[in-house]
Amino acid sequence: EVQPVESGGGLVQPGGSLRLSCAASGFTFSSYWMHWVRQAPGKGLVWVSRIKSDGSTTSYADSVKGRFTISRDNAKSTLYLQMNSLRAEDTAVYYCARGSAHYDFWGQGTLVTVSS
Amino acid sequence: QSALTQPPSASGSPGQSVTISCTGTSSDVGGYNYVSWYQQHPGKAPKLMIYEVSKRPSGVPDRFSGSKSGNTASLTLSGLQAEDEADYYCSSYAGSNNFVFGTGTKVTVL
Repeated sequence: EVQPVESGGGLVQPGGSLRLSCAASGFTFSSYWMHWVRQAPGKGLVWVSRIKSDGSTTSYADSVKGRFTISRDNAKSTLYLQMNSLRAEDTAVYYCARGSAHYDFWGQGTLVTVSS
Repeated sequence: QSALTQPPSASGSPGQSVTISCTGTSSDVGGYNYVSWYQQHPGKAPKLMIYEVSKRPSGVPDRFSGSKSGNTASLTLSGLQAEDEADYYCSSYAGSNNFVFGTGTKVTVL
């Protein structure tokens, strides 16, 4: 069964940092593009970032560019999102999702709360 | 990277059809055949229902269908069932390795 599992969320103060992880199983992780998508409480889905299967190409939403970094370790079948200079508006459930131009399998999400 | 526009809500009785629109621009929906649709029940992760405008993943009922005309994509739910009550989001490739979601539509089965 294809199963991405996110971890690393929690409460962090404004200006702080957090690193999210997404452990993948049930598929050949190194063959797939991966994304991070977030959803603020009671709000809609927002695309955050994407990384190519071999890690050579990355892209970001304007709202996180320069603050967030997506990366992956194909040997560990794990996707990461390093989040720096966090703001209150970054509070959301963060999902990792598999796919290139669409998202065919999603994790259950990890909640990030930015608050003092 | 402005969100694609969806109606906030849609509703129908069991057995009826409901169509949800997703309006973008020639830089996203109108420019690429990479429109997808997601169903999200409360507290759950989204689920892919349609990809590349009109293709259905394995396991998705054929009651769900997608189409596109110009800068507007549509998702049609035919033969509405109680379990179809959920939030629905469209998504599109927006060029330059960017992606955008729609504002979301809450479907209610009356």
